Amino acid sequence: EAQVTQNPRYLITVTGKKLTVTCSQNMNHEYMSWYRQDPGLGLRQIYYSMNVEVTDKGDVPEGYKVSRKEKRNFPLILESPSPNQTSLYFCASSQSTGSYGYTFGSGTRLTVV
Amino acid sequence: AQSVTQPDIHITVSEGASLELRCNYSYGATPYLFWYVQSPGQGLQLLLKYFSGDTLVQGIKGFEAEFKRSQSSFNLRKPSVHWSDAAEYFCAVGGLSGGYNKLIFGAGTRLAVHP
Repeated sequence: EAQVTQNPRYLITVTGKKLTVTCSQNMNHEYMSWYRQDPGLGLRQIYYSMNVEVTDKGDVPEGYKVSRKEKRNFPLILESPSPNQTSLYFCASSQSTGSYGYTFGSGTRLTVV
Repeated sequence: AQSVTQPDIHITVSEGASLELRCNYSYGATPYLFWYVQSPGQGLQLLLKYFSGDTLVQGIKGFEAEFKRSQSSFNLRKPSVHWSDAAEYFCAVGGLSGGYNKLIFGAGTRLAVHP
């Protein structure tokens, strides 16, 4: 089944404790993105990747890091999480042209206390 | 700047009634337009998309949307709403920008369905 898999689904952590949210897709998509969803703000892009070893900042990159060492994986790293990073996070992937839209993972709900 | 506006934050309809969710966009070129649905606790599912051709597009679950270039709109419609349609709906605009497939979302419209 074609899908984007994120782990974990739920995560509660403390301020400053480094964490990684994993994302993997099995569709051989070139593009991958991370979004965060906050009430009233819709989805905002954190980082994106056009292919292996090619990443760039989205609209809200502060406090996040990403890497793309393999085509299928695109982990999101929070080196020192803060409470304002409490949010619902989505990973998504897409084929190389804009017309296909994105396939989304099921989301990771992160709480930073 | 590229943007998407969904003017209605919440909409409530009765089951069996018709539905129209509004979406307006600002985009420099011919956009790709999408509607996604998010059921509670779930990820986003693509309902339909437009990128060329017939301006009335059909999607899954009985939804359709009409692209109106003159109004910069891409409104979502359904002739008869079912209770299972209660969800949050997101309009998005995207396309190749600087070589990248960028997707910008509206803030969403939460749909409640009364029996």
